[in-house]
Amino acid sequence: QMQLVESGGGLVTPGGSLRLSCAASGFTFSDYYMSWIRQAPGKGLEWVSYISSSSSYTNYADSVKGRFTISRDNAKNSLYLQMDSLRAEDTAVYYCARDLNIAAPYNWFDPWGQGTLVTVSS
Amino acid sequence: EIVMTQSPATLSVSPGERATLSCRAGQSVSSNLAWYQQKPGQAPRLLIYGASTRATGIPARFSGSGSGTEFTLTISSLQSEDFAVYYCQQYNNWPPAFGQGTKVEIK
Repeated sequence: QMQLVESGGGLVTPGGSLRLSCAASGFTFSDYYMSWIRQAPGKGLEWVSYISSSSSYTNYADSVKGRFTISRDNAKNSLYLQMDSLRAEDTAVYYCARDLNIAAPYNWFDPWGQGTLVTVSS
Repeated sequence: EIVMTQSPATLSVSPGERATLSCRAGQSVSSNLAWYQQKPGQAPRLLIYGASTRATGIPARFSGSGSGTEFTLTISSLQSEDFAVYYCQQYNNWPPAFGQGTKVEIK
């Protein structure tokens, strides 16, 4: 059974940092691109970042570029998101998700983890 | 960035009735569209990809159609567990973008 479990969320003051983790199981983690997607309270979904299976490629939403860094450790079946210079508007539930693609330009996502809440407030 | 617009924002449906949800893309996304279901306090779950292909384990009452800019998710006979928020997502253009969601509530 495929599973993704996020951790590391919490309350942080504006300008602070936080590192999220996502532990994967039930599939060959090293074969897949992975993404972080967030959802502000009561709002819709926003893709944040992806990383290729071997970490060769990464990309970020403009809203987080230069402040967030995605990484992975295939030996530990783990995905990470280092979030620096956090702002109030980064407050959201952060989901990790496996990227899927069948002859398409870009990816859809399945499965998703249960999410971890990041609150940026003074 | 392609803007994805879902309608209606809220759909009130009685159990056993059909629900039809719409998703419109700001420009053509071919058939590169997915649908997700999200229940309160839960992560989104993939329902449909490629505009019309059901994901593994998704009941046949869920069907997707459309291409280009106009897409539809149909739930043929609503069950109690189907009351949720539904999101569309395009993956034809960068960056991947989601619609704002349609809430399906009990009438």
